[in-house]
Amino acid sequence: EDQVTQSPEALRLQEGESSSLNCSYTVSGLRGLFWYRQDPGKGPEFLFTLYSAGEEKEKERLKATLTKKESFLHITAPKPEDSATYLCAVQAQGTGNQFYFGTGTSLTVIP
Amino acid sequence: DVKVTQSSRYLVKRTGEKVFLECVQDMDHENMFWYRQDPGLGLRLIYFSYDVKMKEKGDIPEGYSVSREKKERFSLILESASTNQTSMYLCASRRTVYGYTFGSGTRLTVV
Repeated sequence: EDQVTQSPEALRLQEGESSSLNCSYTVSGLRGLFWYRQDPGKGPEFLFTLYSAGEEKEKERLKATLTKKESFLHITAPKPEDSATYLCAVQAQGTGNQFYFGTGTSLTVIP
Repeated sequence: DVKVTQSSRYLVKRTGEKVFLECVQDMDHENMFWYRQDPGLGLRLIYFSYDVKMKEKGDIPEGYSVSREKKERFSLILESASTNQTSMYLCASRRTVYGYTFGSGTRLTVV
């Protein structure tokens, strides 16, 4: 069964304290892995798409990497405005348009 | 800027009412989706549509139906609202091979 697991569920960081969020997946064949940011009471906002192992994408303080079994979202020197829930989603081969979402990591950055 | 617009941010309905949630996208995307999001359960797919008048069941279609009469509009219908349908409802659209663009969500409370 296709699955997506995110860890940790919640993470508290001091401002400037770098860390990583994990998204592990078990799918029969990966078509794409997607990272989203979600602020409270709002819809998820697209961050990155990764398609193959070894691929990396960067945006400001965020960097996403992909291996054959997991993806990491690295946050370098976070700021309070980076506080949000980060969602990972996987599109598997043969599933058409369906994505499988993890339950997210809630990040709090303390000033 | 591309947009997915959900007609209501907050709704309160009574048990047994028929509820309509509307979603409009301005990106000419083929595919549209309805998810519900609950704490600890993540995003679960209710229904999706890959073309006008086409619909497919997702993981949790029971108690819901959908309508897509025009490409830009995808409606979710709760035939007879129940308290266990209290949730955040998210509409999304996508062009093939790209990630989702989400709406801001509708927080529905059924009393």
